[in-house]
Amino acid sequence: QSALTQPPSASGTPGQRVTIPCFGSRSNIGSNTVTWYQQLPGTAPKVLIYNDNQRPSGVSDRFSGSKSDTSASLAISGLQSEDEADYYCAAWDDSPNGVLFGGGTKLTVL
Amino acid sequence: QVQLVQSGAEVKKPGASVDVSCKASGYTFTHYYIHWVRQAPGQGLEWMGWVRPTSGLTNLAQQFQGRVTMVRDTSTDTAYMQLSSLTFHDTAVYYCARGTMGAIDYWGQGTLVTVSS
Repeated sequence: QSALTQPPSASGTPGQRVTIPCFGSRSNIGSNTVTWYQQLPGTAPKVLIYNDNQRPSGVSDRFSGSKSDTSASLAISGLQSEDEADYYCAAWDDSPNGVLFGGGTKLTVL
Repeated sequence: QVQLVQSGAEVKKPGASVDVSCKASGYTFTHYYIHWVRQAPGQGLEWMGWVRPTSGLTNLAQQFQGRVTMVRDTSTDTAYMQLSSLTFHDTAVYYCARGTMGAIDYWGQGTLVTVSS
């Protein structure tokens, strides 16, 4: 099964709103929930969004998630320098009955 | 609080095997799956498989079948992953992570495995 599809890079200036898309198929995003992770350099991934659009406690409300059919997106508003990181989408896939990750998007704050 | 603490970095020669451990705390070990995910240098996340702590049942990604073993010890709330027949392409950070048959939430700190002759 191929990975979910994300753009390799995205950028924005401080204060801007940036959106990162994630494309999948019926067997993953189309039938299961999407999770978004933020990975800072040298650290383990951290959950930003789960169940398509839910934020864990402690995650800024500048981060939001949405899903439509077989695609999802992560939006970051009021961009800050500390948001520079790699962002990954993930969804369960019915075959291989496991987690499928996107290739990751490196966000640069200009 | 939920914690997954992994064993330390390893350096192995090609053809060897490596064992990585993952000790869980802060939750009921048998209530969640343990997933293993790896990340090669400068690359993305690659799901390797899961182990169900209650039964020991595993499901491995196709590319790892025959080369990866995942087990758990419910007496110590620890999961183990063994990767055999190592090649240079197996150099990566290996993560254990807690999850369900749906998503991964908490991650271990990662274990760097370097394959070098």
